[in-house]
Amino acid sequence: AQRVTQPEKLLSVFKGAPVELKCNYSYSGSPELFWYVQYSRQRLQLLLRHISRESIKGFTADLNKGETSFHLKKPFAQEEDSAMYYCALFYNQGGKLIFGQGTELSVKP
Amino acid sequence: EAQVTQNPRYLITVTGKKLTVTCSQNMNHEYMSWYRQDPGLGLRQIYYSMNVEVTDKGDVPEGYKVSRKEKRNFPLILESPSPNQTSLYFCASRPRRDREKLFFGSGTQLSVL
Repeated sequence: AQRVTQPEKLLSVFKGAPVELKCNYSYSGSPELFWYVQYSRQRLQLLLRHISRESIKGFTADLNKGETSFHLKKPFAQEEDSAMYYCALFYNQGGKLIFGQGTELSVKP
Repeated sequence: EAQVTQNPRYLITVTGKKLTVTCSQNMNHEYMSWYRQDPGLGLRQIYYSMNVEVTDKGDVPEGYKVSRKEKRNFPLILESPSPNQTSLYFCASRPRRDREKLFFGSGTQLSVL
């Protein structure tokens, strides 16, 4: 069955520290993975798509098919990065979308 | 301005009283979908629609209905709401073939007493 797992509910770091938000997936086909961000219960916004491989707001994510992971990384966290982060998987010809449980990132000054 | 509009933003109701949450988009998107967000569970897809008159179940469709009679509108209907449907609901839309352009609405906080 398809599944997206984010093992950490809360990640707390100090400003300037590196950040890694973990995401593991279970899917038998070729995965289409995304990271979304939600600031203070606002609407979700796209942060990254694995195909684009570009860096948004300093974040990057690499798809590792061997480890079935799509971890989100940033070398130097900023206070404005504090938010909920969701990893998500599109499947069924792009109709179905499943999210991980979310990780709350808190960046302390 | 491109947007996905949900109404109402907040709704308090009682068990069994039918309600509808509206969702409208002005981007001519084929694809629309509904999600509920619960603490510790993240977002879960309720229903989605790939185009007018085409709807499919997501992961948690029980207790919900949808319709897609027009391209711009995708209402979520709770025929007989129950307290376990208390949640934050999001509508989203995108062009059929462009997964990246998934726009979310601002959310509807529903409380069923």
